[in-house]
Amino acid sequence: AQSVTQLDSHVSVSEGTPVLLRCNYSSSYSPSLFWYVQHPNKGLQLLLKYTSAATLVKGINGFEAEFKKSETSFHLTKPSAHMSDAAEYFCVVSAYTSGGSYIPTFGRGTSLIVHP
Amino acid sequence: GAVVSQHPSRVICKSGTSVKIECRSLDFQATTMFWYRQFPKKSLMLMATSNEGSKATYEQGVEKDKFLINHASLTLSTLTVTSAHPEDSSFYICSASSTLDAQNYGYTFGSGTRLTVV
Repeated sequence: AQSVTQLDSHVSVSEGTPVLLRCNYSSSYSPSLFWYVQHPNKGLQLLLKYTSAATLVKGINGFEAEFKKSETSFHLTKPSAHMSDAAEYFCVVSAYTSGGSYIPTFGRGTSLIVHP
Repeated sequence: GAVVSQHPSRVICKSGTSVKIECRSLDFQATTMFWYRQFPKKSLMLMATSNEGSKATYEQGVEKDKFLINHASLTLSTLTVTSAHPEDSSFYICSASSTLDAQNYGYTFGSGTRLTVV
């Protein structure tokens, strides 16, 4: 079984300040982890992914995330928030299931609010 | 990169009618497609997983006779909402992957379909 917990439903920051979106996961198998961003009434765009290579992963738009196995965490960070970063962010875990397939499991999402 | 096209982006239909949503992988063969439903300010709820050429696997609580999924080819999956009611109004998103690529490259999502049943 696998699950994802996004610890904050909303995160509010000022433009130019750092962003931290938290994600913890559980998985019976070695997981792949992803962060996706969704703007209103849009589909999901992949920000970055961890697939058992380097634990510090760099993504698009200046975002990065660090996979910490001991803490079962995969927090998303950005040094300086931009107004265009305001969106919904989803942490996703995907691992092999006992049913013989890979199925992605979504966290509940974190809404990032950026104030001018 | 991989692209998934979802159509239509927005549809309004009358209660009791059926609506078909298409999901196409444009530049890769999608052995697996996922259909999600998203309620306002909520996460994505997996409705069903479909593998090309076989019946879809529905999640618990999803009515398979109401939400018909067809994955007849490696590039096309359809979701048909039959006898739609206002409570079916939602944002539906598809996702596609090839078996080997999913773990390494992630899942590619369509842009979603906003269904409004009046």
